[in-house]
Amino acid sequence: GAVVSQHPSWVICKSGTSVKIECRSLDFQATTMFWYRQFPKQSLMLMATSNEGSKATYEQGVEKDKFLINHASLTLSTLTVTSAHPEDSSFYICSARDALGHHTDTQYFGPGTRLTVL
Amino acid sequence: AQKVTQAQTEISVVEKEDVTLDCVYETRDTTYYLFWYKQPPSGELVFLIRRNSFDEQNEISGRYSWNFQKSTSSFNFTITASQVVDSAVYFCALSEEETSGSRLTFGEGTQLTVNP
Repeated sequence: GAVVSQHPSWVICKSGTSVKIECRSLDFQATTMFWYRQFPKQSLMLMATSNEGSKATYEQGVEKDKFLINHASLTLSTLTVTSAHPEDSSFYICSARDALGHHTDTQYFGPGTRLTVL
Repeated sequence: AQKVTQAQTEISVVEKEDVTLDCVYETRDTTYYLFWYKQPPSGELVFLIRRNSFDEQNEISGRYSWNFQKSTSSFNFTITASQVVDSAVYFCALSEEETSGSRLTFGEGTQLTVNP
């Protein structure tokens, strides 16, 4: 149980284009999903908290107009990197909390999406 | 503010050795949760354990064991008889219920390399 998927697993795009990353909870409902970014040999940095049916809460320093988050259902959240630039190249990881499970405080992570912007 | 410190950046051991990964945390909340995650080269974070602040019992799961000590604000992780497949980055994380709405704060991670 508690499986989270991400799509795509990797993407290469040209500078200036937009990229959408999907995060799905496969076997549980997730009222809250989180988006992280991880640069090589560094820890995970929380970008935003996504709540189903409401606006996402962004961490300080994260541009909400550049990283658009939509959490339209209890099993799907999307992150769109708009007008991507090479400095946006990173490993993006989502996580989800099981709203109805025994351990609602535990975050389960997706496999990550490696974004490379040329 | 919450903070997690993993002082060991890299550890290298030979297969079958025991190894302990240290984790020290800071929090003002009385209710909090501690986690360990494993990140193999593939990148996916694998959940290993969750411990709440009111449960100081140590836990053992196969070759893995965890030592939670509130007196020293530590939550250390020991792998017994390490194997090559244990090679990964291990993250300790803290979640505070009261002040941060269950946001996870990660330590910097410890890169464990188990050599054959």
